[in-house]
Amino acid sequence: NAGVTQTPKFRILKIGQSMTLQCTQDMNHNYMYWYRQDPGMGLKLIYYSVGAGITDKGEVPNGYNVSRSTTEDFPLRLELAAPSQTSVYFCASSITEYTEAFFGQGTRLTVV
Amino acid sequence: KNQVEQSPQSLIILEGKNCTLQCNYTVSPFSNLRWYKQDTGRGPVSLTIMTFSENTKSNGRYTATLDADTKQSSLHITASQLSDSASYICVVMGSGDKLTFGTGTRLAVRP
Repeated sequence: NAGVTQTPKFRILKIGQSMTLQCTQDMNHNYMYWYRQDPGMGLKLIYYSVGAGITDKGEVPNGYNVSRSTTEDFPLRLELAAPSQTSVYFCASSITEYTEAFFGQGTRLTVV
Repeated sequence: KNQVEQSPQSLIILEGKNCTLQCNYTVSPFSNLRWYKQDTGRGPVSLTIMTFSENTKSNGRYTATLDADTKQSSLHITASQLSDSASYICVVMGSGDKLTFGTGTRLAVRP
């Protein structure tokens, strides 16, 4: 089992550009999440999904979009990148909302 | 406002020594409390999940305690190793199954 795999690991974007952060898990988990981690701050939930075809907003969804067409994949789309989106992004998955979450290794994004 | 506060912010200990990390929360109602270990440049890894009825839970050299009445939890690390150097994050699940993350305690274990 590879667990949760995120790509890319690092990316530099220019203001106004768009990109998709990829996330895939091979544990057949229904729940998947996207978080961002800013220096000195706790992780913040961007979007989550409770199963294929179902997504919902978290605390900080503005500027992002997601889709969940399969159980395995949960890509995060950034449209019109802004410097405020400079952060480390983590994808995670879990069996239910009450069980431990497994995290990917993160994507460090810099918007210049 | 739901908050999770961790102390100390950072800690340096010698290899082989024990240490205790603290987590105080104001999340209500309470569902469960989690401790994660995050190595530099990596994603968090779950250590324990504790529900309201659990006072103590161990995972190897890691022992978490929970006092739901005082809304406090601690993570005790026994016989520390260099590989314990990491950030330790306390996370509390509250109303609507929302998770509130602490900012973490950064632990450095020196030889």
